[in-house]
Formats: sequence, structure tokens, C-alpha cells
Amino acid sequence: DSGVTQTPKHLITATGQRVTLRCSPRSGDLSVYWYQQSLDQGLQFLIQYYNGEERAKGNILERFSAQQFPDLHSELNLSSLELGDSALYFCASSVEVAGGGGELFFGEGSRLTVL
Amino acid sequence: DAKTTQPPSMDCAEGRAANLPCNHSTISGNEYVYWYRQIHSQGPQYIIHGLKNNETNEMASLIITEDRKSSTLILPHATLRDTAVYYCIALKAAGNKLTFGGGTRVLVKP
Repeated sequence: DSGVTQTPKHLITATGQRVTLRCSPRSGDLSVYWYQQSLDQGLQFLIQYYNGEERAKGNILERFSAQQFPDLHSELNLSSLELGDSALYFCASSVEVAGGGGELFFGEGSRLTVL
Repeated sequence: DAKTTQPPSMDCAEGRAANLPCNHSTISGNEYVYWYRQIHSQGPQYIIHGLKNNETNEMASLIITEDRKSSTLILPHATLRDTAVYYCIALKAAGNKLTFGGGTRVLVKP
């Protein structure tokens, strides 16, 4: 158990709909990362938050948005869903250590199926 | 962050040591080498990291060459549960996002 909690574990929805994925980081971790993993692609970095502020952005579509709340949990919002958005979405958290060495702890993922 | 190159796949016999190579010839002096693994459809799991010295923990050993252009992850006694995709990543500092490549798909056989 990594200590990172993601809900829901599975989600099935239709094209055009909107869903929200939730992530609770490990206690004390200030950084939250979101990754997408679809069948034909590897793990793709989407976005990172640190203590409520966006820190880095990857290949995140404009239809997707995220935020980190004061209690440090994060939500990833996916809207106008398309078939190609079907994927595993992972959240990870980390505590940053000065000079390096802060590993990421990943949750078990939310599997999204768009029909 | 420097690009890393790994073989796409390798087999290993159960109970034997698994040696996973990684090339990172353009790594800079302040980049760490991190190893993660992903067991089928589970979240990636941190294994080990190092800067220039060899490192060992309860999961594995990491051997980094003196010129730091390559490294080897060693699983000392592979078990069937070590079957996974293993990722080698060069990373400048904590707090930077991890960029996953293709990794090495390791199959541990009985």
C-alpha cells in the first residue's frame, strides 16, 4: 500500500460526458502528479501540483483540468469525453527533499472506460 | 532530463539474479538515476535511485559506472512476482516530473 488513494477505481461513461477523478496523497506529501496510461501508449505525464499551485504541465488536453485543494487532495476533471480518453489514470505524490531523493508514490489508478 | 535507453524485454530464471541494463550517455552531473517498476496495470513502484555511488536496499542493487553513462539494476534472487516493466529514468532533482520511456519488460520464468 503506497498510501496514495484514488477514487473511483473503475468508471464507465459515455462520450461527451464529464467525470472527476480524486486523489488523496500520502500524509505530509505536498506534491501531486497525474499520469495517463492508455493501451497503445506508455505512462504520459499530465500535470503536477505543489502545495496548491500548478508546478508543471505535460501533454494535458484542454478538455482536462486539475486542481489541488487546501487539504492537499487533488481532482482531475475530464470533460467532453472521447473514446480515446479510455485509459488508466494514476495519481502520485511525493515529499521533496532538498538536493534530490524524493521518490514518487503512485496510487492504484482509476480505470476510465468511455463507450 | 537525459534520455535513457533500455532493452525492450528480457527473460530471467526464477531464483537467479536479474541484471537490467540502462544507458544514459548524456546524463549530467546533477542528474540522479531512478528505477521504477510497474506490475501489470498496477501503479508504478519506486525501487531505488543513485547519483554516483552504488546503492543497495531491500529490493535491489544499483550499480552506476564510474563515468555515469550507464547503470545496472540487479534483482538478486528473482521471483515470479518480479515480472514487470522496469523503468530507468534520469532526473535532475526531486520535485521534477518523471518521464517514463518504454522500459524493459522482464519475464521471470519458473
